[in-house]
Amino acid sequence: GESVGLHLPTLSVQEGDSAVIKCTYSDSASNYFPWYKQELGKRPQLIIDIRSNMDKRQGQRVTVLLNKTVKHLSLQIAATQPGDSAVYFCAENMGGSTLGRLYFGRGTQLTVWP
Amino acid sequence: KAGVTQTPRYLIKTRGQQVTLSCSPISGHRSVSWYQQTPGQGLQFLFEYFSETQRNKGNFPGRFSGRQFSNSRSEMNVSTLELGDSALYLCASSLRDNYEQYFGPGTRLTVT
Repeated sequence: GESVGLHLPTLSVQEGDSAVIKCTYSDSASNYFPWYKQELGKRPQLIIDIRSNMDKRQGQRVTVLLNKTVKHLSLQIAATQPGDSAVYFCAENMGGSTLGRLYFGRGTQLTVWP
Repeated sequence: KAGVTQTPRYLIKTRGQQVTLSCSPISGHRSVSWYQQTPGQGLQFLFEYFSETQRNKGNFPGRFSGRQFSNSRSEMNVSTLELGDSALYLCASSLRDNYEQYFGPGTRLTVT
C-alpha cells in the first residue's frame, strides 16, 4: 500500500540537533499510527505510536504529533545521536481496521553526523 | 519473553520452485501478520491470521498463501517463485487488534 506518504526520503542532521520526520496518511478512518525504526540489516522496531483520540504523545526523546484535520503525522527526535541513524517508517491501520493490517510509508533515511 | 522468531533467516531458491517460511510469535500473541519488504515497494502487507483464520489479505497473487496453527505459529508459502519475489519477508505478532505489532528478524529470500 502506498497510502502513507512521506515528505522527505532522506534527512541529515548534526548530532545534538532535533530531527523532524513528517508523514501524510490517506484514510480518515485510520485510528492507530505507529512509527518504526529500522537499522540496516535489522528488524523494524516500534518506537512510539499514537491513536486518533490523541494529538500528541511523548516518549523518551521522541514526540509524535497527529493532525487529523489535514491527516499529517510528525515524529520529532530530540538531542539526536549517531545511533538514531536509521530508516523511520510511519504506518496507519487503514479503515480503522481491527484486522492487524498496517500500511507503511516508504520511509525516511535519517543520518546523524557528528 | 522471547521475541518473534523466523526461520530460516536466509534462503536461495530457483525460479519455479516453492518455499515455506515460518514465524513463531511472542508467547500469548494470537495475531500474526506478514509483510514483504523490497527496496522498490517498501513494506507491503501480505496477510494476517488470528486464531487460525486468515482475516485479511493484501494485494498479492494467489501464489502467496499462509496458515496459522493452534499454537499461533504461522507459515507462509510462495509457489512458482519468480525473480520479483526476492525480498525480505517479515512477520509481526500482536497481542490484540490495533495494538503494537512486534516484528521478527525476517527471512531474506533470493530467487535466482
